[in-house]
Amino acid sequence: QKEVEQNSGPLSVPEGAIASLNCTYSDRGSQSFFWYRQYSGKSPELIMSIYSNGDKEDGRFTAQLNKASQYVSLLIRDSQPSDSATYLCAVISNAGKSTFGDGTTLTVKP
Amino acid sequence: DAGVIQSPRHEVTEMGQEVTLRCKPISGHNSLFWYRQTMMRGLELLIYFNNNVPIDDSGMPEDRFSAKMPNASFSTLKIQPSEPRDSAVYFCASSRDHPYGYTFGSGTRLTVV
Repeated sequence: QKEVEQNSGPLSVPEGAIASLNCTYSDRGSQSFFWYRQYSGKSPELIMSIYSNGDKEDGRFTAQLNKASQYVSLLIRDSQPSDSATYLCAVISNAGKSTFGDGTTLTVKP
Repeated sequence: DAGVIQSPRHEVTEMGQEVTLRCKPISGHNSLFWYRQTMMRGLELLIYFNNNVPIDDSGMPEDRFSAKMPNASFSTLKIQPSEPRDSAVYFCASSRDHPYGYTFGSGTRLTVV
């Protein structure tokens, strides 16, 4: 079992729809969770961080964390073609080790 | 803030040659990470430093790889000798102490022929 697993995708949604990206992790002691966006040929860019159970909203982005289920998600409302990218989930364990998922590629169609 | 600065952006070298990748982290960030990204293996952590000290190098694939951080503003990743399977994009990232997220550099695309 991978330490951080993401839906392999690709995920395709129409413009204006909600895109839902999911991530599960295996280390129950993990405390810090991040979502990065990576455009093709570019470096990962941090877009959201979440540390406690519940929802965290930032503009069109909402991160959700459920530590009991070891589950993190990212919702993108009113998806735009510019949101088309690969989204990477990252988890930092109690030991300070950071592990990235393989990413989910999102395509938003106009 | 210029962000994390990596050089060179692209490197093409022949098998057996030495390759040195360079990184300047964001001022004030005391953690520095070297990652390698390929289609097959995704983003892999090679080594990370905290306050210039190597903390975890378990991701370094073999003795051909070495990394140094002589001061808070500079790090190198060296491959000697290079092999075609080392071809990948190498990213440097920095952060303030745990549990903050990372800022990545633009990466170095390495091709070993």
